[in-house]
Amino acid sequence: DGGITQSPKYLFRKEGQNVTLSCEQNLNHDAMYWYRQDPGQGLRLIYYSQIVNDFQKGDIAEGYSVSREKKESFPLTVTSAQKNPTAFYLCASSEQGVSGYTFGSGTRLTVV
Amino acid sequence: SQQGEEDPQALSIQEGENATMNCSYKTSINNLQWYRQNSGRGLVHLILIRSNEREKHSGRLRVTLDTSKKSSSLLITASRAADTASYFCATGGSGGYQKVTFGTGTKLQVIP
Repeated sequence: DGGITQSPKYLFRKEGQNVTLSCEQNLNHDAMYWYRQDPGQGLRLIYYSQIVNDFQKGDIAEGYSVSREKKESFPLTVTSAQKNPTAFYLCASSEQGVSGYTFGSGTRLTVV
Repeated sequence: SQQGEEDPQALSIQEGENATMNCSYKTSINNLQWYRQNSGRGLVHLILIRSNEREKHSGRLRVTLDTSKKSSSLLITASRAADTASYFCATGGSGGYQKVTFGTGTKLQVIP
């Protein structure tokens, strides 16, 4: 079955550490996105990528980094520069043109 | 920045009743989408309506779009307990790879 896989489901980070969240899709979608969701809030865009080896900052990119070396993969690194990283992180992908997004099941990151 | 604002923020109804959620947005759009999110899960795309469409149906879902009022509504008919979830509207701009902006969501509870 085609879809998006995010791992891990739960992640704990110590202060000052970098952590990487995985996002893999087998839908052959060109575009991929990372969103952050805080409790009771909507989604805020962190980074997005329209094509391999290219990506753009979203509304809240500070403290995060991404790479897009393969079409299927769009990992997100939460760096120590992100002061409030505890949140639910969602990865999504879409086809070219006007279409809905397909979302992964999310990674819940907690700073301990 | 979040473009869409859903109203109400929370809604509680009895099973079998209809549920109506509204979304208002600020700037011109190419399309508007509705998503459902079960607690702790990723979002699921429900329906997409383009700016030149006024109404769209999908099963028990009916979406309307009024571009003159910059608003949309999602109607779920004959609600079921399984419809309990948060519902988000998302507005998409023009361009080859649209970047959608999500609203803050309506939390729907359907009481059996």
